[in-house]
Amino acid sequence: ETGVTQTPRHLVMGMTNKKSLKCEQHLGHNAMYWYKQSAKKPLELMFVYSLEERVENNSVPSRFSPECPNSSHLFLHLHTLQPEDSALYLCASSQGHNYGYTFGSGTRLTVV
Amino acid sequence: SQQGEEDPQALSIQEGENATMNCSYKTSINNLQWYRQNSGRGLVHLILIRSNEREKHSGRLRVTLDTSKKSSSLLITASRAADTASYFCATDLNDYKLSFGAGTTVTVRA
Repeated sequence: ETGVTQTPRHLVMGMTNKKSLKCEQHLGHNAMYWYKQSAKKPLELMFVYSLEERVENNSVPSRFSPECPNSSHLFLHLHTLQPEDSALYLCASSQGHNYGYTFGSGTRLTVV
Repeated sequence: SQQGEEDPQALSIQEGENATMNCSYKTSINNLQWYRQNSGRGLVHLILIRSNEREKHSGRLRVTLDTSKKSSSLLITASRAADTASYFCATDLNDYKLSFGAGTTVTVRA
């Protein structure tokens, strides 16, 4: 365990479903991130929260909706996804600039 | 947008050999970081090198940074089968947007 826990590990959902991904860290970090990793593509930054405020929304479609209720928890709410949204979704946390990120193991999402 | 690009895309070496991979980037950075990813799992942070540093070591890992050439290299010495993974460089522009390259896939043959 890295200190960043993501659930579920695997998720299969239909295009009309609504689901949520959960990320939890108890490392005392003050920034949390969602990244998307698709096959053969670099990691794409989706959302950044610093001190529970969203500081980055990287042109992500509205079918992805983040929520950060406190500095330890981060959610990604999913609805009406497309098959091309199938990917590994990675959560990370950090103490801020000049510190490395701690990643969770990811949620492998398949949209059918 | 992608800031760093790794080279080569893939590398196959014999156990015990050294592995070197390079990263080039486009704009001035605050720091550059290297990560390892094993087979579809999360990324593991290896080394962070600040823009005013030229070289850092961590165990069998050696990272160099040349800001004049906007490039970095990661050297893994005396490779082991457990080093088989994808390696990514990431650039920090001091703006919460750590940007990753596409990675180098390293295979260490027994």
